[in-house]
Amino acid sequence: KQEVTQIPAALSVPEGENLVLNCSFTDSAIYNLQWFRQDPGKGLTSLLLIQSSQREQTSGRLNASLDKSSGRSTLYIAASQPGDSATYLCAMDSSYKLIFGSGTRLLVRP
Amino acid sequence: GAVVSQHPSRVICKSGTSVKIECRSLDFQATTMFWYRQFPKQSLMLMATSNEGSKATYEQGVEKDKFLINHASLTLSTLTVTSAHPEDSSFYICSAHLIGPRIKTQYFGPGTRLLVL
Repeated sequence: KQEVTQIPAALSVPEGENLVLNCSFTDSAIYNLQWFRQDPGKGLTSLLLIQSSQREQTSGRLNASLDKSSGRSTLYIAASQPGDSATYLCAMDSSYKLIFGSGTRLLVRP
Repeated sequence: GAVVSQHPSRVICKSGTSVKIECRSLDFQATTMFWYRQFPKQSLMLMATSNEGSKATYEQGVEKDKFLINHASLTLSTLTVTSAHPEDSSFYICSAHLIGPRIKTQYFGPGTRLLVL
């Protein structure tokens, strides 16, 4: 069974901290790995997409890495801000389906 | 970037009625769209894959007669929740599949919140 696990489930940090969100997946034959942001009651915003041939992607203060052999991806957020508070979801793209993790709820305190 | 819309954004209905949710790809054509369901504080669960011009493919445990999917054009898929009950109350999100020369990805709609009284 294909599964995606995210740790931690919730995280609260003071503003300015660098932080790492973890995602693990069971299927090494993935097509790509995506990180999304979801604000309460809203849809998904795609943050970063890492293709299976890539090891990392960067966008502004965000950096995502992918290690297919170990089945892990991390999302690094530098210099966190209160506006970063949201739920972060990772999703594994395998066989034309996206399988989502349960998310990490992030709170950045001013 | 590619934009996907959903209508309505939220709907309240009485138990036993049917509700139709539309998903549109605004600036690209999508032969495949996906329907997800999300309960509070839980992740997205794929309900079905909607294929233009053919029958939808439902995930295990999803009742095809209750959740009717129609993908009549390359820019529109609809999900109809038939004879809705309170346990159908949830956040429904669609996505449209965009296949480019080098990459394929899904673009998500803003979601529809359904409350069944």
